[in-house]
Amino acid sequence: GENVEQHPSTLSVQEGDSAVIKCTYSDSASNYFPWYKQELGKRPQLIIDIRSNVGEKKDQRIAVTLNKTAKHFSLHITETQPEDSAVYFCAALESGTASKLTFGTGTRLQVTL
Amino acid sequence: EAEVAQSPRYKITEKSQAVAFWCDPISGHATLYWYRQILGQGPELLVQFQDESVVDDSQLPKDRFSAERLKGVDSTLKIQPAELGDSAMYLCASSLVAGAGDTQYFGPGTRLTVL
Repeated sequence: GENVEQHPSTLSVQEGDSAVIKCTYSDSASNYFPWYKQELGKRPQLIIDIRSNVGEKKDQRIAVTLNKTAKHFSLHITETQPEDSAVYFCAALESGTASKLTFGTGTRLQVTL
Repeated sequence: EAEVAQSPRYKITEKSQAVAFWCDPISGHATLYWYRQILGQGPELLVQFQDESVVDDSQLPKDRFSAERLKGVDSTLKIQPAELGDSAMYLCASSLVAGAGDTQYFGPGTRLTVL
């Protein structure tokens, strides 16, 4: 099955700086990679996703890049704000299944003033 | 905006007792998922339903866990008997179809504590 590794496990940045979270996956046939944000005590919410036919996708301050050859994808948050503080999870859709997502272990992002 | 509903939000039980969690997916969503999230880790899929049929329960500990979605709408996840290691957040999610990359929407979860 798919294996997803995520780094770093914790990340502290100052407000206004950029944050980058990286994930690697093992199954070269995986073709869909969502990112979820989970605030303390709340449900995971999709913030951005990318499919394997695209190398980069951007939505305002959030961008995701995908390198299929290296089997890694990254989340980039620019101009960070205190409300960006949360745990972020990457995931990969396991090939050969209809919609089974394998999640990374999460990155706790802390944006300090 | 429609959301996935779950109840209860919190459950405390003693080991060897039975517990049940309920999930109501977004209306019209054919696919329903139950995940377990241990503190400090990402969600792990326990079972996936397409309408009323189970399509993946490979990670469900079937000796003690059961799940059903009798009418293809809401779903119940049961644990009997509960063990200390079952303490976790149980998340339900739904998606419109079971297609490659269809967005999964999560409920607020049920936090289970087994004493």
